Amino acid sequence: EAQVTQNPRYLITVTGKKLTVTCSQNMNHEYMSWYRQDPGLGLRQIYYSMNVEVTDKGDVPEGYKVSRKEKRNFPLILESPSPNQTSLYFCASSLYSWPGYNEQFFGPGTRLTVL
Amino acid sequence: RKEVEQDPGPFNVPEGATVAFNCTYSNSASQSFFWYRQDCRKEPKLLMSVYSSGNEDGRFTAQLNRASQYISLLIRDSKLSDSATYLCVVNHDAGMNDMRFGAGTRLTVKP
Repeated sequence: EAQVTQNPRYLITVTGKKLTVTCSQNMNHEYMSWYRQDPGLGLRQIYYSMNVEVTDKGDVPEGYKVSRKEKRNFPLILESPSPNQTSLYFCASSLYSWPGYNEQFFGPGTRLTVL
Repeated sequence: RKEVEQDPGPFNVPEGATVAFNCTYSNSASQSFFWYRQDCRKEPKLLMSVYSSGNEDGRFTAQLNRASQYISLLIRDSKLSDSATYLCVVNHDAGMNDMRFGAGTRLTVKP
C-alpha cells in the first residue's frame, strides 16, 4: 500500500531531551516536507527536501533539524525540545519538486507534548 | 496579511443544504490551487485541485478567480459525511513546490 508513515504517533517528553520523529514513504517521491499544525494557524512548513541530500528551511525552522540521506526517509530532529514545540506534526511527500498540480500525501501525524 | 486566508467558520448546515467556502491568497504569482479535507485529528487529504476554468467532481465545484485572487468551493446536497475541516492550499512560488495552507474552514452537517 502506498503510504507515508510516521513514528511515534504520540509522544510526551520533557524540555531539553533530544528526540527524533521518523518519516518514511514508499512511493519513490522526490519531495518531502515537515509541517506543524497549531490551532488557528494552519499548517506551517518547518523544512523541506527536494531530493536526497537537498534540504532547506521552511517558514518555522528554529529548533529543528532534518536530514535526507535516502530518498524514502526524512527524519525530524528536535535537539533540545521546548514547550513551544508542543504541536501536531505532519510529514508529507509528493512526486515532484517543481510546482504544478502535485498532490501532497501526508503521514498520519505525530502529536508531541513537551513539558 | 496572511498568505492564504479562510473564514474559520464553523459552518453548521442541515443535510441537503448547499454551502460555499471562499479563500483569498496574497501572491499573484501563485500557480496552482487545491482544496484539502481534514477530518478531526487526521491527516489532510486532497479533495480536488482547482483549475483556471473551474472544475466539478460530483457534488463539489471549485472555482478560481485570478483577478481577485480567490478560490471557492461549493458543496451541493451536503451529507453528514462531509463534516470536516476544508483547507485551502496555494502553491506560493512559481519556481518550486511551495504549498501554503489556510487555517481551514470547519463544516458540520447536521441531520
